[in-house]
Amino acid sequence: EVQLVESGGGLVQPGGSLRLSCAASGFTFSSYAMSWVRQAPGKGLEWVSGISGSGDSTYYADSVRGRFTISRDKPKNTLYLQMNSLRVEDTAIYYCAKDSRTYSYGLFDCWGQGILVTVSS
Amino acid sequence: DVQMTQSPSSLSASVGDRVTITCRASRGVNNYLAWFQQRPGKAPKSLIYAASNLQSGVPSKFSGSGSGADFSLTITSLQPEDFATYYCQQYNTYPWTFGQGTKVEIK
Repeated sequence: EVQLVESGGGLVQPGGSLRLSCAASGFTFSSYAMSWVRQAPGKGLEWVSGISGSGDSTYYADSVRGRFTISRDKPKNTLYLQMNSLRVEDTAIYYCAKDSRTYSYGLFDCWGQGILVTVSS
Repeated sequence: DVQMTQSPSSLSASVGDRVTITCRASRGVNNYLAWFQQRPGKAPKSLIYAASNLQSGVPSKFSGSGSGADFSLTITSLQPEDFATYYCQQYNTYPWTFGQGTKVEIK
């Protein structure tokens, strides 16, 4: 059974940093691209960043490019999102999502339970 | 970016009803269109991909149709567990974008 478990969320001040992790199991981690998708309180879904199965290619939404960095550790079967220069508007539940292809295809067939990030002074 | 617009934003229906949700893209997405269900406090669940293909394990009461820029999701014989928010998403062009959601509520 595919499982994705996020961790690392919490409360941080504007301008601060946080690193999210997503532990994956139940599938060959390096064979699939992964993404982070967020949902602000009471709002809809916003794709944030994606990474290919090899880790060689990364993609970002304009709203986070230059502030967030996605990466993956194949031996640890873990996806990361390093978030710097956080803003109030980054407050959201962050989901990691498994793609259906090795390359970043954008078709998400499994999601984690999500982790809350709150940016506030 | 490709804008995805769903209608209605919310609807009320009774158990046993059939409902249809529409999703319009600001430009054609070559049928790279997915639908998700999100129950309150839960992660999204994939229902349909490539506009009309059911994900494994999804009951046939859910169906998708459409092409180009206009798509729809139909749910037949609504059950209590189907009352949720539904999102469409295009995966034709970066950045991947979602509709604003349609909340299906119990009448």
